[in-house]
Amino acid sequence: DTEVTQTPKHLVMGMTNKKSLKCEQHMGHRAMYWYKQKAKKPPELMFVYSYEKLSINESVPSRFSPECPNSSLLNLHLHALQPEDSALYLCASSQEDFIAKNIQYFGAGTRLSVL
Amino acid sequence: AQRVTQPEKLLSVFKGAPVELKCNYSYSGSPELFWYVQYSRQRLQLLLRHISRESIKGFTADLNKGETSFHLKKPFAQEEDSAMYYCALSLNTNAGKSTFGDGTTLTVKP
Repeated sequence: DTEVTQTPKHLVMGMTNKKSLKCEQHMGHRAMYWYKQKAKKPPELMFVYSYEKLSINESVPSRFSPECPNSSLLNLHLHALQPEDSALYLCASSQEDFIAKNIQYFGAGTRLSVL
Repeated sequence: AQRVTQPEKLLSVFKGAPVELKCNYSYSGSPELFWYVQYSRQRLQLLLRHISRESIKGFTADLNKGETSFHLKKPFAQEEDSAMYYCALSLNTNAGKSTFGDGTTLTVKP
């Protein structure tokens, strides 16, 4: 299995809702990432997990809460979002060995709309 | 801080014509450079990595440290090359953290 799988594909939520985005990979990658991508813009890094520990938080608001329950799973918990948080949320993974650590494999994304 | 610049938002060429997508970066150290591609309705995927020095789908890219550039080239563009192309930079000191350029949308006309 050489894919990063994200669920759901689409999500519509109100500003008072709590929801979660899920990401799964079975490539044995030990680094996993969340990105936010607005239309016609590049992906913006949000979080990086390395060996299930949060290693990078790019000053993301606390209404976004990442979780890495194990080496194959990555969640992004959403609470009290704002309409401007509407975007495509991408998950990615990579190996941690020196040769391949910077090659990232992306999921298809979750398209989030906040009403 | 590192920065990646792709000066062309849109690039349009005819099928069979050569194409060059420009990428310039700013970083004083030795970064790793990549080209990622996103075809319509498909996920973002790696196209090329500078240390591999290989040709993928007819595309090549050479890292020019003097000019801090990593331009993507193909001698004969095909319609299926139409896509969004992102140049990205990763620092070997910060595992996995990539900085992306704003992207270039390539359209290859028949």
